[in-house]
Amino acid sequence: EDQVTQSPEALRLQEGESSSLNCSYTVSGLRGLFWYRQDPGKGPEFLFTLYSAGEEKEKERLKATLTKKESFLHITAPKPEDSATYLCAVQTSGGSNYKLTFGKGTLLTVNP
Amino acid sequence: NAGVTQTPKFQVLKTGQSMTLQCAQDMNHEYMSWYRQDPGMGLRLIHYSVGAGITDQGEVPNGYNVSRSTTEDFPLRLLSAAPSQTSVYFCASRLLGQGGRYGYTFGSGTRLTVV
Repeated sequence: EDQVTQSPEALRLQEGESSSLNCSYTVSGLRGLFWYRQDPGKGPEFLFTLYSAGEEKEKERLKATLTKKESFLHITAPKPEDSATYLCAVQTSGGSNYKLTFGKGTLLTVNP
Repeated sequence: NAGVTQTPKFQVLKTGQSMTLQCAQDMNHEYMSWYRQDPGMGLRLIHYSVGAGITDQGEVPNGYNVSRSTTEDFPLRLLSAAPSQTSVYFCASRLLGQGGRYGYTFGSGTRLTVV
């Protein structure tokens, strides 16, 4: 069974204090690993798709990396507007349902 | 370009009532799906469709029905609502054949309470 574990569950940072969120996965054939941002009361917003170990993607203060067992979302010099829940999800090669298996998310709070 | 539109945003049902959650997308996405999000759990797939006339079950399909008569619409029907179906429901769509590079587009959700 595919499993996705995100850590920490919650993270509180001061503005400008860089850190990383972790997403570890156990799957039978990775087709893609997705990072999403979710604000309270809203739907997940797509950030990145990663496909293979060693791949990296960047967007503003966010950088996502991928190894064979985990992905990291690095947040450089965060601002209060980066506060949100960050979700990690995997799509695997088993079956044809394009199912995403999600982690429980990391709630990030950035204090000014 | 509206993306994925879900209605209603909020709904309260009594146990045993039925209702339909609406989902529409204007991006010509072949794939559409329904997820539910519960506290302390990740999003879980209910039903999905890879095109008009084609639907299939996801991880937690019991108590829900879907149909897909057009590319744009993918309604989710609750047959006889139960308190265990209290949740936030999200519709998501994506283009097929792109390897997911553009991700899945989610709607803003329907918050359902069954009393």
